[in-house]
Amino acid sequence: DAGVIQSPRHEVTEMGQEVTLRCKPISGHNSLFWYRQTMMRGLELLIYFNNNVPIDDSGMPEDRFSAKMPNASFSTLKIQPSEPRDSAVYFCASSPSGAGAEAFFGQGTRLTVV
Amino acid sequence: RKEVEQDPGPFNVPEGATVAFNCTYSNSASQSFFWYRQDCRKEPKLLMSVYSSGNEDGRFTAQLNRASQYISLLIRDSKLSDSATYLCVVRSYNTDKLIFGTGTRLQVFP
Repeated sequence: DAGVIQSPRHEVTEMGQEVTLRCKPISGHNSLFWYRQTMMRGLELLIYFNNNVPIDDSGMPEDRFSAKMPNASFSTLKIQPSEPRDSAVYFCASSPSGAGAEAFFGQGTRLTVV
Repeated sequence: RKEVEQDPGPFNVPEGATVAFNCTYSNSASQSFFWYRQDCRKEPKLLMSVYSSGNEDGRFTAQLNRASQYISLLIRDSKLSDSATYLCVVRSYNTDKLIFGTGTRLQVFP
């Protein structure tokens, strides 16, 4: 298996533009997590899905952020409109459900909003 | 209060030293515990799971204290290659969320 695949690896965009980050989880994993990492706040859980259903989106910072998982092999995180304070590394991770299950991370998308 | 708290460090230690990190968690329903390692500009990767009875993997020992709600990681005989950020992670039984601490940075010098 290729592991969790994220795209793009790097994104530079202007303030106000829409940004879409993509994630392909490991086949057979039914939990998917989106995290944001900054120096100041560390790794923050934004949202997670179980069996393609959003379970907890309490970490999504505001309405500008939205996430979807239309099927078991694909998820998107969208920011519209983007702002400079959204600049961060966004990680997607997947895992089997249940206690004791570790999560596997993608390589992340480094987003810079100018 | 954050759900998972760690001392951010940095811990600067010489090669061969023993170093210990602690982590506290606030949700008593937390069920699973892990230590992840993150190298600079890379994704986090699992270092080891933490079991109730404590567990060891080579130079690394993890301990869990449920009564006090803390987890520890001990690294013996530190190597230069151990330099990284170590992230404490808890997974809740009832919500299934994976919550990360902010990480503790370790720098091992020659």
